[in-house]
Amino acid sequence: EVQLVQSGAEVKKPGESLKISCKGSGYSFTSYWIGWVRQMPGKGLEWMGIIYPGDSDTRYSPSFQGQVTISADKSISTAYLQWSSLKASDTAMYYCAKRSGTYYAFDIWGQGTMVTVSS
Amino acid sequence: QSVLTQPPSVSGAPGQRVTISCTGSSSNIGAGYDVHWYQQLPGTAPKLLIYGNSNRPSGVPDRFSGSKSGTSASLAITGLQAEDEADYYCQSYDSSLSGSDVFGTGTKVTVL
Repeated sequence: EVQLVQSGAEVKKPGESLKISCKGSGYSFTSYWIGWVRQMPGKGLEWMGIIYPGDSDTRYSPSFQGQVTISADKSISTAYLQWSSLKASDTAMYYCAKRSGTYYAFDIWGQGTMVTVSS
Repeated sequence: QSVLTQPPSVSGAPGQRVTISCTGSSSNIGAGYDVHWYQQLPGTAPKLLIYGNSNRPSGVPDRFSGSKSGTSASLAITGLQAEDEADYYCQSYDSSLSGSDVFGTGTKVTVL
């Protein structure tokens, strides 16, 4: 079964750093792009960026460029989303999703990781 | 703010047909890029509903259909059912966004 399993919920303080993970299984992890999507409380989906684990080619939405870092460790089939200094406005649910090979839709989604940033 | 605009809400009685529009521009849908649709049930992760404008993944009922014309795309739900009550999002690539995709603003479907 193709699946993405994300790390658990996090509660952090403003200014702290954080790295959340997304582990793929059941498919060739290095052959498909993995994307990250933000959903703030009660709001819509926002496309953050994607990475190709095979060569770590990474693309960011202009809205998130410089705000987060996307990376991957293909040896353990895991993608990451990290922040160096969290803000309260980073409070959101974050989903990872696998991009399909032909049409580039997100065909498999992780269960989501809730990040809460509060002093 | 998204460059793909959807109506905030649509509603219909069970059995009716509803449509959701996704309006873009010449840098995304109008440039010929594919449109995909997702369904997000309350408290769950999004699920791919339509890919490549009009294709349904295995397991998606044929009550759901997608189309694209010009700078817009549409998702139609025929024979509306209670379990279709959810949020729906379109997605496409936008050449003005440095190689990134964008989601639509989202539409809440309510079954009356």
